[in-house]
Amino acid sequence: SQQGEEDPQALSIQEGENATMNCSYKTSINNLQWYRQNSGRGLVHLILIRSNEREKHSGRLRVTLDTSKKSSSLLITASRAADTASYFCATENLSGSRLTFGEGTQLTVNP
Amino acid sequence: NAGVTQTPKFQVLKTGQSMTLQCAQDMNHEYMSWYRQDPGMGLRLIHYSVGAGITDQGEVPNGYNVSRSTTEDFPLRLLSAAPSQTSVYFCASSYSSGDAEKLFFGSGTQLSVL
Repeated sequence: SQQGEEDPQALSIQEGENATMNCSYKTSINNLQWYRQNSGRGLVHLILIRSNEREKHSGRLRVTLDTSKKSSSLLITASRAADTASYFCATENLSGSRLTFGEGTQLTVNP
Repeated sequence: NAGVTQTPKFQVLKTGQSMTLQCAQDMNHEYMSWYRQDPGMGLRLIHYSVGAGITDQGEVPNGYNVSRSTTEDFPLRLLSAAPSQTSVYFCASSYSSGDAEKLFFGSGTQLSVL
């Protein structure tokens, strides 16, 4: 079974708007990571937040983590058409041996 | 650096055929893994390796074999292909397993089993 579940499954916004994607997971984790996948390509790492962190920023990305609710959110501010992609959350188990991915959110940014 | 290289990019097999998906990385990463990606199911871990000579099963290992004779290479073998193995396969690596290691992905192999 999947560790992470993402919400929404699909999101369509206009350029310049903010995009928020959510991820929930079931078991305790070392860290949570967000990846991006452009159509037909491999995944690319965006940002990592450790279990003892609550918020992290990287450029236009802001990630929050609430371990009590077992949830995370990814905010992309001032979106661009080039942000159109699928976004996946992934959780690392406590032993550090594996990274488990959610089903992804398909983001479409309309010019 | 080429990063993570997967070959072939596309492959069509008949049911019962066997084949090997190749994965190589030139970053001296200890950790390597194979995922399959199916619509609506995200990525699921097939097998992984924390170093040369060490492999372990992931979430969906049945029908697949792996070996890790060198740090650089981590081939995935389909023993007797089935239509249920039609998927996109990704190889990924990181410097080591453990806290705060991000994965580097190859560009994928699209496999169709008829």
